[in-house]
Amino acid sequence: SQQGEEDPQALSIQEGENATMNCSYKTSINNLQWYRQNSGRGLVHLILIRSNEREKHSGRLRVTLDTSKKSSSLLITASRAADTASYFCATDEGNRDDKIIFGKGTRLHILP
Amino acid sequence: GAGVSQSPRYKVAKRGQDVALRCDPISGHVSLFWYQQALGQGPEFLTYFQNEAQLDKSGLPSDRFFAERPEGSVSTLKIQRTQQEDSAVYLCASSLVAGSSYEQYFGPGTRLTVT
Repeated sequence: SQQGEEDPQALSIQEGENATMNCSYKTSINNLQWYRQNSGRGLVHLILIRSNEREKHSGRLRVTLDTSKKSSSLLITASRAADTASYFCATDEGNRDDKIIFGKGTRLHILP
Repeated sequence: GAGVSQSPRYKVAKRGQDVALRCDPISGHVSLFWYQQALGQGPEFLTYFQNEAQLDKSGLPSDRFFAERPEGSVSTLKIQRTQQEDSAVYLCASSLVAGSSYEQYFGPGTRLTVT
């Protein structure tokens, strides 16, 4: 089963532009994570935001969380070719603190 | 330091064969997860270990799937009588502590093709 769902499914932007991806989820959560997957480095953790946080930054990444709307967004600023990858949000199930559930992902393509 | 490793990286099995996929987590990591990822999809949870205890196996698709982590480190995912629908990438991940509030470190995956 999929808890989170990313939007859009695919996104192509010019190098240097900003990319925004969204994630919606169904049940209450303790935290939400974003992961990136490309053929070169596999699946890599980007950032974790807890349910009592509204915004978090890491380098060129900015994540927001709106628990009232059950949604999160990932913003990548000043995109680079190396940002081409699939991006997944992953959430726990709120009432349990063990596994996380991944969405289907957004496929981001950075055009030169 | 060494990350999560998985072997083999690629496996081709004839339908009906049994396969065993190995995962070496980061040393000292308490939690270990197995996921199945179909092409174009996100990883789907299969099972979770905390040390040697299998605390959740709700994602295993059938009783042909079996996972173990007998000494709380290396884990093996076994699939008996493989079927074509088992073709996927199998990912292993480990986490330093128990719980969902910590990042998971993923291995490169084993791509299983059942012919």
